[in-house]
Amino acid sequence: DVKVTQSSRYLVKRTGEKVFLECVQDMDHENMFWYRQDPGLGLRLIYFSYDVKMKEKGDIPEGYSVSREKKERFSLILESASTNQTSMYLCASSSRTGGNEKLFFGSGTQLSVL
Amino acid sequence: ILNVEQSPQSLHVQEGDSTNFTCSFPSSNFYALHWYRWETAKSPEALFVMTLNGDEKKKGRISATLNTKEGYSYLYIKGSQPEDSATYLCAFNTGGFKTIFGAGTRLFVKA
Repeated sequence: DVKVTQSSRYLVKRTGEKVFLECVQDMDHENMFWYRQDPGLGLRLIYFSYDVKMKEKGDIPEGYSVSREKKERFSLILESASTNQTSMYLCASSSRTGGNEKLFFGSGTQLSVL
Repeated sequence: ILNVEQSPQSLHVQEGDSTNFTCSFPSSNFYALHWYRWETAKSPEALFVMTLNGDEKKKGRISATLNTKEGYSYLYIKGSQPEDSATYLCAFNTGGFKTIFGAGTRLFVKA
């Protein structure tokens, strides 16, 4: 069964902490994505990566960075967490570039920043 | 700014009811339209991807239609069951990496 695995389901952090959200996929997918989901809004793209060590900003990259040292792993980093980063974070992957490729999602990390 | 609108925001139906939701998207620069189902505490899962005007897709009791000229897609569920309770996400793509998601329609099916 193919999988995208996110390291934590729930996470509580304090303002100013450095936070790492990890995502691993076992499908050998080239593309990986980080989204956040807030009530009343659609999923918003934070960053994506189309290859190892490659990264591109999405629509809301401010306050975030990413790392992709290995093909299967894509990490989202909050350098100094703030309360407005409290959200559900979803990782996704896809096999090829193209708008008709479906995304495979992890089950999400609900991050609370206090 | 590309925007995807879904309606209604939420919907309560009885088991056995048939229902449908709407997704509206920009009619220009269309490449693909996706539907995902997201059950609570699970991962969003792809239902359909549609690329051609007039496309119709079906999976069991769930079907979808696409009108790219006017910029809308309908998702239909026939004979709703409690296990259909989920958030249904519509997503629009112009070709490439960025997929624009709607806020979803939250379906509650009461037994």
